[in-house]
Amino acid sequence: QQQVKQSPQSLIVQKGGISIINCAYENTAFDYFPWYQQFPGKGPALLIAIRPDVSEKKEGRFTISFNKSAKQFSLHIMDSQPGDSATYFCAASILNSGNTPLVFGKGTRLSVIA
Amino acid sequence: DAGITQSPRHKVTETGTPVTLRCHQTENHRYMYWYRQDPGHGLRLIHYSYGVKDTDKGEVSDGYSVSRSKTEDFLLTLESATSSQTSVYFCAISEGPRNEQFFGPGTRLTVL
Repeated sequence: QQQVKQSPQSLIVQKGGISIINCAYENTAFDYFPWYQQFPGKGPALLIAIRPDVSEKKEGRFTISFNKSAKQFSLHIMDSQPGDSATYFCAASILNSGNTPLVFGKGTRLSVIA
Repeated sequence: DAGITQSPRHKVTETGTPVTLRCHQTENHRYMYWYRQDPGHGLRLIHYSYGVKDTDKGEVSDGYSVSRSKTEDFLLTLESATSSQTSVYFCAISEGPRNEQFFGPGTRLTVL
């Protein structure tokens, strides 16, 4: 129940295309859903995050879509660029869970080709 | 960048030897984490700390121990390294369990 399942494992997108990464969860107590971006040789860094009181959050070319009834959330990268090539991790956490930390998905390696 | 350093950045060791990795922060964040990252497995939490001398196990804690005697330092020890512990290890910090985690640069450990 603490898992977050992420797909696909890898993704190749043409420059200018839309990249879509999906995550699904079982625990309905999850209430915070961040996405992290990791470039080769670096640690992950927070990209964008959403709480379940909204269905969508947009920051520049990056959008999180959230479907509470389906227990799914996804990251959309519009007009994908070669500089977006990185590994993306979705994560989830529970509001009133004491010290319990984030649960991460297994990651998606995105390659944007020209 | 958040003030997080990891040492060493690279280490090669032999099976059966003890290894200690250090994470040092200058942000005074309460929470500190150790993850390992392996192809196909993503980020897996080893141990985390929610205060000085307060630690808890993560998903893959077997074979690892941690200590936190000061707010700024979180040590990860492999008592007797095995080849299965070859990995990239990341330290992270956060103000709270659901706050943004800031990651260090990573330590690449090879156990021969």
